Amino acid sequence: DTGVSQDPRHKITKRGQNVTFRCDPISEHNRLYWYRQTLGQGPEFLTYFQNEAQLEKSRLLSDRFSAERPKGSFSTLEIQRTEQGDSAMYLCASSLMGAKKLFFGSGTQLSVL
Amino acid sequence: AQTVTQSQPEMSVQEAETVTLSCTYDTSESDYYLFWYKQPPSRQMILVIRQEAYKQQNATENRFSVNFQKAAKSFSLKISDSQLGDAAMYFCASLSNTGNQFYFGTGTSLTVIP
Repeated sequence: DTGVSQDPRHKITKRGQNVTFRCDPISEHNRLYWYRQTLGQGPEFLTYFQNEAQLEKSRLLSDRFSAERPKGSFSTLEIQRTEQGDSAMYLCASSLMGAKKLFFGSGTQLSVL
Repeated sequence: AQTVTQSQPEMSVQEAETVTLSCTYDTSESDYYLFWYKQPPSRQMILVIRQEAYKQQNATENRFSVNFQKAAKSFSLKISDSQLGDAAMYFCASLSNTGNQFYFGTGTSLTVIP
């Protein structure tokens, strides 16, 4: 069990560029979550997958955001045409269905200049 | 929807002393879970303790314990014998038994003074 890993740890981009983040959950976990955390706030739910199916999306997830989990293992979160308001830490978490606890990665810190 | 409120943005405690972090929540669910997560400078959120709402007994994990007051919708975290490694942001969170979203508070930054 190597825990939840996220890549990259930091990403600096210019406004208007596209960025993609990757999350590798704990191997046997069938649920994967994406959260966003801004300075001084707690994590806010973006979306979650059960296996490869995206079951729920927050209204925070605008149409510039897309998440995939193609084979029910790793997941990617893409942000198109980034805006300065997208600057935040993007956290990935995983769990077993029914386990009622989340295991988090260390996050990807995005800075949009 | 559920809301979680942490009214203490910052707290400090002397090493080896005891500190209590406050949290209140609001939910219309009858069955739910409450959590305290710790986020050190490394940024990884670590589960500290979990309470199941249907259990009357307060959860404990070594030096960490909670005071769960269901009627008051209060869920405080007590850290005993505080250590330097306890310094971190602490987030209170809730999850309904039928839901899939964890709702987090805004966090309390804990400083441990040597």
